[in-house]
Amino acid sequence: ETGVTQSPTHLIKTRGQQVTLRCSSQSGHNTVSWYQQALGQGPQFIFQYYREEENGRGNFPPRFSGLQFPNYSSELNVNALELDDSALYLCASSFQDRGPTGELFFGEGSRLTVL
Amino acid sequence: AQKITQTQPGMFVQEKEAVTLDCTYDTSDPSYGLFWYKQPSSGEMIFLIYQGSYDQQNATEGRYSLNFQKARKSANLVISASQLGDSAMYFCAMREGSTGTASKLTFGTGTRLQVTL
Repeated sequence: ETGVTQSPTHLIKTRGQQVTLRCSSQSGHNTVSWYQQALGQGPQFIFQYYREEENGRGNFPPRFSGLQFPNYSSELNVNALELDDSALYLCASSFQDRGPTGELFFGEGSRLTVL
Repeated sequence: AQKITQTQPGMFVQEKEAVTLDCTYDTSDPSYGLFWYKQPSSGEMIFLIYQGSYDQQNATEGRYSLNFQKARKSANLVISASQLGDSAMYFCAMREGSTGTASKLTFGTGTRLQVTL
């Protein structure tokens, strides 16, 4: 177990709705990142939060947004859901100051289905 | 241009045999790191091994070793003495350059490994 927990594990939404996914980072980690993994694909980087601020973003539209809280837990919000948003959403935590070898610890993901 | 290429969608290996999973990468950054992750059906990405671009020796972690050939831009994962529990998806990933986005990894499309009796 990595100590990173995500909720909910599964959820179903309809097109146009909004969704919030939650992540609890491993204790002592100051960085959280979110990834989207479509079926049969590798994960794609959405964004990273470091000390409660977004400081890196992948090729995702603004309707994907996030928050990181003082206790380093995090939320991913997706507005105006589209069918292509159906995917496994993975949260990863790390301690950034350990430089490029800092290992990412992933949760088990939240599987979102958009109908 | 695809930055991480895994050309083997699926591989079979017999229990106790060794298997090599291929990974090639593309970057112009002299500083980068290469990772291998295992993803069982539960969905969690499990870190296996890391190789830094300036590391002189190939990384090893237990039954996992990374065959790093910098000039060929390849970072193949070797699993020795395969076990049934090794059956999973395996992803190669790369982190480039500065630590500004230290947790931004670029993943390949993965290789599904099946270990048979």
